[in-house]
Amino acid sequence: SAVISQKPSRDICQRGTSLTIQCQVDSQVTMMFWYRQQPGQSLTLIATANQGSEATYESGFVIDKFPISRPNLTFSTLTVSNMSPEDSSIYLCSVVSWMADNEQFFGPGTRLTVL
Amino acid sequence: AQTVTQSQPEMSVQEAETVTLSCTYDTSESDYYLFWYKQPPSRQMILVIRQEAYKQQNATENRFSVNFQKAAKSFSLKISDSQLGDAAMYFCAYRRNGNKLVFGAGTILRVKS
Repeated sequence: SAVISQKPSRDICQRGTSLTIQCQVDSQVTMMFWYRQQPGQSLTLIATANQGSEATYESGFVIDKFPISRPNLTFSTLTVSNMSPEDSSIYLCSVVSWMADNEQFFGPGTRLTVL
Repeated sequence: AQTVTQSQPEMSVQEAETVTLSCTYDTSESDYYLFWYKQPPSRQMILVIRQEAYKQQNATENRFSVNFQKAAKSFSLKISDSQLGDAAMYFCAYRRNGNKLVFGAGTILRVKS
């Protein structure tokens, strides 16, 4: 299986600021995703992080608000920009590993609270 | 668009008893994967079981098994001999080969001792 770490695990931020979340995987993976889980809700896909190119965003999510980088096969970052209280959520990194029979694994999540 | 429906917001089960969580999905594809994920209070998403649509045999993992009815687009999870550690939010999810996961709304499972 793929072991995923995320930093930070949680943060409390002020309105109008930005936070960058890091996702590190212990092995090369084919696909990396970023999900948002609002309080008491299911997971919603924000975007697919593409290595060396712009991420592919889902409807309702834009690059200016959620810029994503993926410089190599094991690392990605998600930035939540110009935050508002509505951005308070858990943000999860997820990967698909061809070495693990295309299983999909999730990181431990980053709990973000915006005041 | 593919959708996943979990019609039970919350379920309860007595310890050592059996419980079944329901899931239906909508797709026009013939080749896809279905999953059940568990999310305990720690919020870590844990894969419980996976089913490939082309396989007729229902997947089983220890105390967890599924009832996959492809024609009815139904994918229920049965938990046998329920344990306190099974208490969590359970998500049903659909994935077309190589594509993103689509999640249901989730079912909270409470286990009574």
